[in-house]
Amino acid sequence: DAMVIQNPRYQVTQFGKPVTLSCSQTLNHNVMYWYQQKSSQAPKLLFHYYDKDFNNEADTPDNFQSRRPNTSFCFLDIRSPGLGDAAMYLCATSGKDSGANVLTFGAGSRLTVL
Amino acid sequence: GQNIDQPTEMTATEGAIVQINCTYQTSGFNGLFWYQQHAGEAPTFLSYNVLDGLEEKGRFSSFLSRSKGYSYLLLKELQMKDSASYLCAVVDSNYQLIWGAGTKLIIKP
Repeated sequence: DAMVIQNPRYQVTQFGKPVTLSCSQTLNHNVMYWYQQKSSQAPKLLFHYYDKDFNNEADTPDNFQSRRPNTSFCFLDIRSPGLGDAAMYLCATSGKDSGANVLTFGAGSRLTVL
Repeated sequence: GQNIDQPTEMTATEGAIVQINCTYQTSGFNGLFWYQQHAGEAPTFLSYNVLDGLEEKGRFSSFLSRSKGYSYLLLKELQMKDSASYLCAVVDSNYQLIWGAGTKLIIKP
């Protein structure tokens, strides 16, 4: 089945120790997104790519970086995680479904910072 | 600023009907989505409305009134597996997706 796969599902890191989260998709969608979601809050958009065009949200901290080496893969790098970065990180892609750009999400990567 | 309002939490009984409301104030409107999110899992697409009226999809229906900045998600014949958060999201004039914080729905036997 075509899908969005995130790895790892659970990541534990120490304060300040860099982390990389990965996302791959078999949907051949040209738009990919990284969201941060904390408990009982709305997903917060960090970045998105339209093909290789990178779009950084104005309030995304410099501590967060992203790479998209090809259509299928996207990475989220957190250079120096702080306690406030503990969250679920959601990767999503978008294509056309029912006339709208429906987001298809991966299962998420839950980051714990000790 | 842009704002999406949903109730934080609702409780309903198995087999009953529940309506989850969403009101929005955004810069422009290009459609409204409802997503379902089970605890610890990713959101999954439920419905999309861009024109006024009711869209029905099995046990779930979604309604939109653009003039009132209002939508609701109607869930019928509730099942225990419907216990989840329901997220309302609006596409604004820049085609940015503005998310609500979600409504946690608790189903009781």
